[in-house]
Amino acid sequence: EDQVTQSPEALRLQEGESSSLNCSYTVSGLRGLFWYRQDPGKGPEFLFTLYSAGEEKEKERLKATLTKKESFLHITAPKPEDSATYLCALYPTGANSKLTFGKGITLSVRP
Amino acid sequence: DGGITQSPKYLFRKEGQNVTLSCEQNLNHDAMYWYRQDPGQGLRLIYYSQIVNDFQKGDIAEGYSVSREKKESFPLTVTSAQKNPTAFYLCASSWAFNSNQPQHFGDGTRLSIL
Repeated sequence: EDQVTQSPEALRLQEGESSSLNCSYTVSGLRGLFWYRQDPGKGPEFLFTLYSAGEEKEKERLKATLTKKESFLHITAPKPEDSATYLCALYPTGANSKLTFGKGITLSVRP
Repeated sequence: DGGITQSPKYLFRKEGQNVTLSCEQNLNHDAMYWYRQDPGQGLRLIYYSQIVNDFQKGDIAEGYSVSREKKESFPLTVTSAQKNPTAFYLCASSWAFNSNQPQHFGDGTRLSIL
């Protein structure tokens, strides 16, 4: 069965303190792995898609990386406005495959 | 601007009542989805539609119904058969089902029991 596990559940950082969010997965075949940002009371906002091991994507202070077992969302010098819940979702191969979401990591950045 | 509009933002349901959540998209996407989000859980798929006049059950379809009469619209009805409807409901769309393109989400409807 396809599984996605995100860790830690919650992370508190000081402004400027870099860190990484982890998304571990098990899947028979990976079509794509997605990262989303979700603010309270809002829908998830798409950040990145990663398709194959070794791939990296960057956007401002965020960089997503992918291996065969996990993905990391690295946050460099975070600011309070980076506070949000970050969701990881994987899209397995297969005719009727659907997105499987992790439970999310709630990031809080203190000024 | 293209996007997905969900309404209402908040909805209250009385015992034995059916309620309908609206979802409209102007992204020209073929596929649309409904998810339920509960605290401490990942998003769970309720129903999805690959194309107009077609829809399939997701993982937790019991107590819900949908229609897809227009490409732009995918309303979700929460029926009285859904005994625990309190949750945050999210609508999403993508270019095609079973593609590796990302799904894009609306800003949700929060449903509560009166």
